[in-house]
Amino acid sequence: GAVVSQHPSWVICKSGTSVKIECRSLDFQATTMFWYRQFPKQSLMLMATSNEGSKATYEQGVEKDKFLINHASLTLSTLTVTSAHPEDSSFYICSARSRTSGKYEQYFGPGTRLTVT
Amino acid sequence: QQQVKQSPQSLIVQKGGISIINCAYENTAFDYFPWYQQFPGKGPALLIAIRPDVSEKKEGRFTISFNKSAKQFSLHIMDSQPGDSATYFCAASTYSGGSNYKLTFGKGTLLTVNP
Repeated sequence: GAVVSQHPSWVICKSGTSVKIECRSLDFQATTMFWYRQFPKQSLMLMATSNEGSKATYEQGVEKDKFLINHASLTLSTLTVTSAHPEDSSFYICSARSRTSGKYEQYFGPGTRLTVT
Repeated sequence: QQQVKQSPQSLIVQKGGISIINCAYENTAFDYFPWYQQFPGKGPALLIAIRPDVSEKKEGRFTISFNKSAKQFSLHIMDSQPGDSATYFCAASTYSGGSNYKLTFGKGTLLTVNP
């Protein structure tokens, strides 16, 4: 149980275009979803927290107009990287917390590798 | 300060040996300390976690030791196996408002277990 999927697993886009990454909770309702960014051989940095039906809360230093997060349902959150640039190339990972799990528990997706050329 | 310091950066252990990874924190508001295992190109997976009211927790070959007064915690992997070769992250959770708790991660330790 508690499976989180991401789509796509790998995407290449051209500089200046936008790309959308989906995060789905497959077998539970995700009341809260988190988006992380991970550079090669680096730690996970929290970008934003989103609750279903509410606006996302962004961490300091994360541009909310560049990284658009939508958590429209209890099983789906999307991250859209707008006007992507090479420096946005990274591994993006989502996680989800369920209504019935402990308040601390987060279930992580497999990640999406974004390469901006 | 929201920071978790992890060491070592990398660790090489022989099969059957004990792997030890250490973390230290400063913020006493942290109240949940999980360890995650991550394989290349994959998301992190929860290994084991501990609350600060417990000094040790063991699950199979994995043990967390927690020292609240020193603000340190460590992961011990007994009888390390080549399949344990991965990057390990410690993390700490803190309340972030509403019903949300967020994780702060250490920088990770790349563990290599030689056969």
